[in-house]
Amino acid sequence: DAGVIQSPRHEVTEMGQEVTLRCKPISGHNSLFWYRQTMMRGLELLIYFNNNVPIDDSGMPEDRFSAKMPNASFSTLKIQPSEPRDSAVYFCASSGDRNSPLHFGNGTRLTVT
Amino acid sequence: KQEVTQIPAALSVPEGENLVLNCSFTDSAIYNLQWFRQDPGKGLTSLLLIQSSQREQTSGRLNASLDKSSGRSTLYIAASQPGDSATYLCAVTLTAGANSKLTFGKGITLSVRP
Repeated sequence: DAGVIQSPRHEVTEMGQEVTLRCKPISGHNSLFWYRQTMMRGLELLIYFNNNVPIDDSGMPEDRFSAKMPNASFSTLKIQPSEPRDSAVYFCASSGDRNSPLHFGNGTRLTVT
Repeated sequence: KQEVTQIPAALSVPEGENLVLNCSFTDSAIYNLQWFRQDPGKGLTSLLLIQSSQREQTSGRLNASLDKSSGRSTLYIAASQPGDSATYLCAVTLTAGANSKLTFGKGITLSVRP
């Protein structure tokens, strides 16, 4: 099992550019979560999917953020246009059900200059 | 709104010491609680998961306890080693509806000195 796979590992971009983060959950897991981690705010849930359907996107900060899960093995988080305050580590995580532990990817460190 | 607190934010202990990391939450109606470990530049690794009906879970030198009524959990690490140095986070899942999202504390950064 390769675990949750995120790409890219690092992303440096200029303000105003579009950023797309990618995630491949563990095969068989039906829940997928996108988190953002900063020193100030800790881990914040942005959005989560159950069986590819968005269940709760109340954590998505603004309309500049969007997430999709076209199939059970792939999800994207897009920021358009990006701003310096979006700089953070973005984690994707998946789980089988509520009784199962959450498995995290290694994250994407985003820097917006 | 559920809030999860972990105090202190950082802890430094000598190797071999037994230690306790604390976690508190404001809403006792939780479904389960998880303890995670995060190494620098890495994602989180689940250490222990305690269901709301359980009092504790053990894995090797780690023991996690849960007291729902008081809104507290502890992670006990026996005979600490330098390799235990990392940030430890707790997270709770609420029982409300089909909501399975976790609310995290900010973590405790542990340093075990050789």
